[in-house]
Amino acid sequence: GAGVSQSPRYKVAKRGQDVALRCDPISGHVSLFWYQQALGQGPEFLTYFQNEAQLDKSGLPSDRFFAERPEGSVSTLKIQRTQQEDSAVYLCASSLVHGQGHYGYTFGSGTRLTVV
Amino acid sequence: AQTVTQSQPEMSVQEAETVTLSCTYDTSESDYYLFWYKQPPSRQMILVIRQEAYKQQNATENRFSVNFQKAAKSFSLKISDSQLGDAAMYFCAYRVQGGSEKLVFGKGTKLTVNP
Repeated sequence: GAGVSQSPRYKVAKRGQDVALRCDPISGHVSLFWYQQALGQGPEFLTYFQNEAQLDKSGLPSDRFFAERPEGSVSTLKIQRTQQEDSAVYLCASSLVHGQGHYGYTFGSGTRLTVV
Repeated sequence: AQTVTQSQPEMSVQEAETVTLSCTYDTSESDYYLFWYKQPPSRQMILVIRQEAYKQQNATENRFSVNFQKAAKSFSLKISDSQLGDAAMYFCAYRVQGGSEKLVFGKGTKLTVNP
């Protein structure tokens, strides 16, 4: 695709519900990142994939958060038993080649998750 | 741990004027990259300008330029001839060379452009 596509754009979940957020990176992009952006804050790193390999998941806040990219393209961020503090915008970004992230990344428009 | 600090939560500028957004960072690394991203209400982060730490020359992109002071760990963004479309959140970000390539962001500066 022409850009990084994220769906859904908005998601309202009841506390305790499981959610799945999808990221479709630019075709051929090797590196994929997930960030969490709380209201009024800068994005914070969650996890990173190089193709299908999850190379860094140090930013995942708890074991309720799980990300996968089974075929090295589309990625899903899953949050189990959502809590109010999970309310945030979840941003996905990709870059063409590992090691060229210094050229900047292409970000999607994010999914705004609201837990009620 | 690396940190990025943006000390100005909000800034305003008159259309056609110049504004400077501040950013400082803390790192013990010698090789790294710095970025300024723009985030309009659409939420998509858009790369404005980037700087490699090993380059002494300040980066410029049309109306956008940076003042990179490596010893002071300062990386400010200057926007010249401000336009209404420049109004957005601006985030300073840092990335160490190598490793997982993750970005460390500041908390952002909200820029308002007054007509």
